[in-house]
Amino acid sequence: DAGITQSPRHKVTETGTPVTLRCHQTENHRYMYWYRQDPGHGLRLIHYSYGVKDTDKGEVSDGYSVSRSKTEDFLLTLESATSSQTSVYFCATVGGTDRNYGYTFGSGTRLTVV
Amino acid sequence: SQQGEEDPQALSIQEGENATMNCSYKTSINNLQWYRQNSGRGLVHLILIRSNEREKHSGRLRVTLDTSKKSSSLLITASRAADTASYFCATDSGNTPLVFGKGTRLSVIA
Repeated sequence: DAGITQSPRHKVTETGTPVTLRCHQTENHRYMYWYRQDPGHGLRLIHYSYGVKDTDKGEVSDGYSVSRSKTEDFLLTLESATSSQTSVYFCATVGGTDRNYGYTFGSGTRLTVV
Repeated sequence: SQQGEEDPQALSIQEGENATMNCSYKTSINNLQWYRQNSGRGLVHLILIRSNEREKHSGRLRVTLDTSKKSSSLLITASRAADTASYFCATDSGNTPLVFGKGTRLSVIA
């Protein structure tokens, strides 16, 4: 979707190194989310944001941190990457004050930790 | 923890046939949504049904919701090869992010 961009699209990193994934949206949406997708688990929520500098943890937040200093950018950081964090990471946004709308997803970042 | 669980996990049909996928969930919901994911791509929103609605249509898609059984179904009529994808249900329990199921992989054979 043209309104939400994830970078990088692919990344290979070594165990123990820090990694930052970026999500950029042009929709001026208030809510932004980071999910990870793994075989057999579907999508699981890592962290989400409900405004600039307002974030909260999701189901699988251990080992991850996020920051949102501007409406359009939501960063996901793996402080010290582990092999269990090898996954496909998706960012999503939603507009509307009550969130009764569908989410818009980015194309994903495939992260491999070796 | 998964809120929605899709059934079946995988479905293979011939082009032109109808495809039905089911979703069951555990707790009260505000709305239920269905998404499609093509291989290697992000999820695409298909349809949203609110807890006070029983049925909704969008093109070849028909969604039903039975809150007493905590279940929903997605029907794709006259399927096409381009409908080959994974389909996910997702639930919203009010002021919470969407919780996704594990998905149904649909293969439509031409």
